[in-house]
Amino acid sequence: AQSVTQPDIHITVSEGASLELRCNYSYGATPYLFWYVQSPGQGLQLLLKYFSGDTLVQGIKGFEAEFKRSQSSFNLRKPSVHWSDAAEYFCAVARGSQGNLIFGKGTKLSVKP
Amino acid sequence: DSGVTQTPKHLITATGQRVTLRCSPRSGDLSVYWYQQSLDQGLQFLIQYYNGEERAKGNILERFSAQQFPDLHSELNLSSLELGDSALYFCASSRYTGVDEQYFGPGTRLTVT
Repeated sequence: AQSVTQPDIHITVSEGASLELRCNYSYGATPYLFWYVQSPGQGLQLLLKYFSGDTLVQGIKGFEAEFKRSQSSFNLRKPSVHWSDAAEYFCAVARGSQGNLIFGKGTKLSVKP
Repeated sequence: DSGVTQTPKHLITATGQRVTLRCSPRSGDLSVYWYQQSLDQGLQFLIQYYNGEERAKGNILERFSAQQFPDLHSELNLSSLELGDSALYFCASSRYTGVDEQYFGPGTRLTVT
């Protein structure tokens, strides 16, 4: 069965520092992968997605993610974090042809001034 | 603003009661997905409709049901409510069925007392 693991429950980084959030997936075929962000009291906003092609994908708000098949990973990165990036981040894999998403448990990001 | 609307924003009700949550997808989107977010289970897929027809079912309880109307809005009906049904319920929409970008609404927070 497909699954997504986000090993870090909570990460704190200083403003201006780089960020990497980890995501590992379990899926037999080529995965369709997503990163979403959820600010407090808000819905989920799509940051980026990987369907095929270039393994480094660019998203909104300066985020990027790299798909590594050999490591079953899809880590999210940002070179310089802003205080407004404090939120919870969810990695997800789409389930085959149905399209429904299987989410990781999320990583809460705190940003120190 | 994702373009997906959900009403009501908050709902407080008693055990044993029945409630209806409403979702209007983005203009032009034919697929509607329902997800439940709770502290212990995380984000879980409940059910998907595409152009009025049920397409996929996830971890949806028998006490829960949904439908999509000809104008493409969707309703999620929760009956015989239990304390454990307290959660945030999200609706998401996408243009097509199958793997596609999903845009999430702001959610309905249900509290069962």
